[in-house]
Amino acid sequence: GENVEQHPSTLSVQEGDSAVIKCTYSDSASNYFPWYKQELGKRPQLIIDIRSNVGEKKDQRIAVTLNKTAKHFSLHITETQPEDSAVYFCAASYSNFGNEKLTFGTGTRLTIIP
Amino acid sequence: NAGVTQTPKFRILKIGQSMTLQCTQDMNHNYMYWYRQDPGMGLKLIYYSVGAGITDKGEVPNGYNVSRSTTEDFPLRLELAAPSQTSVYFCASRPLSLRLTEAFFGQGTRLTVV
Repeated sequence: GENVEQHPSTLSVQEGDSAVIKCTYSDSASNYFPWYKQELGKRPQLIIDIRSNVGEKKDQRIAVTLNKTAKHFSLHITETQPEDSAVYFCAASYSNFGNEKLTFGTGTRLTIIP
Repeated sequence: NAGVTQTPKFRILKIGQSMTLQCTQDMNHNYMYWYRQDPGMGLKLIYYSVGAGITDKGEVPNGYNVSRSTTEDFPLRLELAAPSQTSVYFCASRPLSLRLTEAFFGQGTRLTVV
């Protein structure tokens, strides 16, 4: 089955600096890579996703990159703000009808220092 | 829009008791998932379902059972509660689609076994 590793487990950055979170996956058949943000006591919510036919995707201050050959994908947050403080999860999934698991990484606790 | 609804939000169980965590979604999603999130840890897949009448095990199914008699409902059953099952449980759903899409999460059930 799929195995997703995520690093670092904790990350502290000064407000205004950039943050980068990295994930690797094991199953080369995976073709969908979402990122979720979970604020304290809340449910995970999607912030950005990327599909395997795309190398990079941006949405304002958030970007995700995918290297299929190396089976790496990363989340980049620029100009960080206090409200970016949360736990971030990467995930991997593949479309094989009848067997569509969504496997999560272990999470990164991001703290933005004012 | 209700989305994914979980009940109860909190529960304390004694060792050996049983209970059912309820999950219902009103988005007509085919895929439904149960995850557990231990303190400071990531999301681990317990069971998932690709449609009514079809369920399959995830990473950590021991001690749990599920059923999927309707598209809307995906209850998780704990038969003999153990302290190791103390966790936050999240239900999620996704639509059946050729183009993989985000999973929507319920607000979680915080379970403590004492």
